[in-house]
Amino acid sequence: QKEVEQNSGPLSVPEGAIASLNCTYSDRGSQSFFWYRQYSGKSPELIMFIYSNGDKEDGRFTAQLNKASQYVSLLIRDSQPSDSATYLCAVNNMGRRALTFGSGTRLQVQP
Amino acid sequence: GAGVSQSPSNKVTEKGKDVELRCDPISGHTALYWYRQSLGQGLEFLIYFQGNSAPDKSGLPSDRFSAERTGGSVSTLTIQRTQQEDSAVYLCASSLNRITNYGYTFGSGTRLTIV
Repeated sequence: QKEVEQNSGPLSVPEGAIASLNCTYSDRGSQSFFWYRQYSGKSPELIMFIYSNGDKEDGRFTAQLNKASQYVSLLIRDSQPSDSATYLCAVNNMGRRALTFGSGTRLQVQP
Repeated sequence: GAGVSQSPSNKVTEKGKDVELRCDPISGHTALYWYRQSLGQGLEFLIYFQGNSAPDKSGLPSDRFSAERTGGSVSTLTIQRTQQEDSAVYLCASSLNRITNYGYTFGSGTRLTIV
């Protein structure tokens, strides 16, 4: 079992819709959770982080964390074609020094 | 500098040769990380430096890989006797301190191709 799992996609949504990206993790000791966006041929860029159960909103993005169920999700409202990218989930366990990344979900927003 | 700087941006080398990849982290960032990303894959952790502490080398895939960080700033990742499976994008990242509570800032990467 991978430590951080994501559906590889592609997830295809129409412009203006809500895109829902999901991530599960295996280590119950995980404490910090991150979403990175990676455009094709580019390096990952941080878009959201969350530590506490519940929702965290930043503009069109909402991160949701449920530690009991060991999943974290990212919602993108009013999806735009410019949101088309691979979204990487990353998890930090305080016992480790580096983030563990999932393999990413490719999102396609259709105009 | 303003961001994490990596060089070269692209490197093509013959199998069996040694290569050196360079990373210059954001000024003031004490933690530095190397990852690699193979085509269509996620990020694979390689090595981590924090200040003057001994590096965490637990992710290095073989003894052909080594890295150093001089003066707590610039880091060099060296791959000896390169193999075709070493072809990947090598990403460097830095963060303010050991606690990765705020995530990393990545450099633009070095695309390494072994022919």
